Amino acid sequence: KAGVTQTPRYLIKTRGQQVTLSCSPISGHRSVSWYQQTPGQGLQFLFEYFSETQRNKGNFPGRFSGRQFSNSRSEMNVSTLELGDSALYLCASSLGTAGFNQPQHFGDGTRLSIL
Amino acid sequence: AQKVTQAQTEISVVEKEDVTLDCVYETRDTTYYLFWYKQPPSGELVFLIRRNSFDEQNEISGRYSWNFQKSTSSFNFTITASQVVDSAVYFCALSGPLSGGSYIPTFGRGTSLIVHP
Repeated sequence: KAGVTQTPRYLIKTRGQQVTLSCSPISGHRSVSWYQQTPGQGLQFLFEYFSETQRNKGNFPGRFSGRQFSNSRSEMNVSTLELGDSALYLCASSLGTAGFNQPQHFGDGTRLSIL
Repeated sequence: AQKVTQAQTEISVVEKEDVTLDCVYETRDTTYYLFWYKQPPSGELVFLIRRNSFDEQNEISGRYSWNFQKSTSSFNFTITASQVVDSAVYFCALSGPLSGGSYIPTFGRGTSLIVHP
């Protein structure tokens, strides 16, 4: 069974630009969550999508947005990039039928660097 | 609010030593789930174990064992006879009940385990 696939693995952007990250979940998983991991803040929850609807949202500004398609693939967009957005962005999928009480399966992440 | 504390930022051991990673949690929910994940250098978090709040039995899986104690709100993880391949960052996480309460998972800051040959 293929795992969670995130593309691209690495991205370099400059301040003010926008970026779109992609995540393909494990087949059959309907929940996709996004996390931001930084040395300073650790692993922070961004949002979760389930059946194309945002089901949960963390405490991030509106510059961070996402969407989910009918095939459960998800994209995350960050607009007007700031230096502090430099981080590893992780995507995780799960069946989603029992919320976060089911194990999540993570991708390798996208490392975003802002210059 | 939920909180997960992993007080050990980094642990360094020599191969074959036993090592325990501590996890202390706070929650007002009576039903909750606890998790441990491993993050090797490649970046992908790997699920290790899930425990619900009603099951306090300890669990052993090969060289890994987990000790869950509600009385002290702790869910500690022990690796017996550590190996170099165990080198990774380990995260403890907490999630709330299916309905109501704190729903979003809370992760600890992680413990970096370095196993020297």
